[in-house]
Amino acid sequence: GNSVTQMEGPVTLSEEAFLTINCTYTATGYPSLFWYVQYPGEGLQLLLKATKADDKGSNKGFEATYRKETTSFHLEKGSVQVSDSAVYFCALNAYSGAGSYQLTFGKGTKLSVIP
Amino acid sequence: GAVVSQHPSRVICKSGTSVKIECRSLDFQATTMFWYRQFPKQSLMLMATSNEGSKATYEQGVEKDKFLINHASLTLSTLTVTSAHPEDSSFYICSGASGTRYNEQFFGPGTRLTVL
Repeated sequence: GNSVTQMEGPVTLSEEAFLTINCTYTATGYPSLFWYVQYPGEGLQLLLKATKADDKGSNKGFEATYRKETTSFHLEKGSVQVSDSAVYFCALNAYSGAGSYQLTFGKGTKLSVIP
Repeated sequence: GAVVSQHPSRVICKSGTSVKIECRSLDFQATTMFWYRQFPKQSLMLMATSNEGSKATYEQGVEKDKFLINHASLTLSTLTVTSAHPEDSSFYICSGASGTRYNEQFFGPGTRLTVL
């Protein structure tokens, strides 16, 4: 089956530090890859996505590149801000075989950015 | 972007009662809607997938008689937790996907259910 593995948190960084959150996946076929962000008490917001190999998703200074050869989709940001404090989920979307696509999520990584 | 709303955002109920949670796609037609459950500090667990006008497909281990899902229109799906118990307390999140964009789901803000 499909699975997503992302680095365990929590991650604590100082403001303006460089961020990397590792994510690797196992899937049959050619999944699309996503990073979602969840702020406290809220639902999920799509942060960025990539639909095929070598695509780079980017948004709000965050980037991730779809690496098929290493089955990875690591999230990076060059300079984090306090407002980036949240839980980040890596996910893949693949056809479930039952007429729809299903998202498979990693366990989430909590990021805390301190001033 | 596509917007999904959920109502209520928070609900507290007594053990043994039933609770209905609504999920609406506000600016697109959601041919498929998904219901997830999230325990504190954990990831989202898919409970069921529903296509408009047909019965929901439940994931293994999810009781379909306890978690009733209705997807009566292209903009509304409901989740009813029947005879709720304290162990059903959780954060329930829905998402919708349109027939033209199978690759992306749009998430609601979630509903916090607390069963006393």
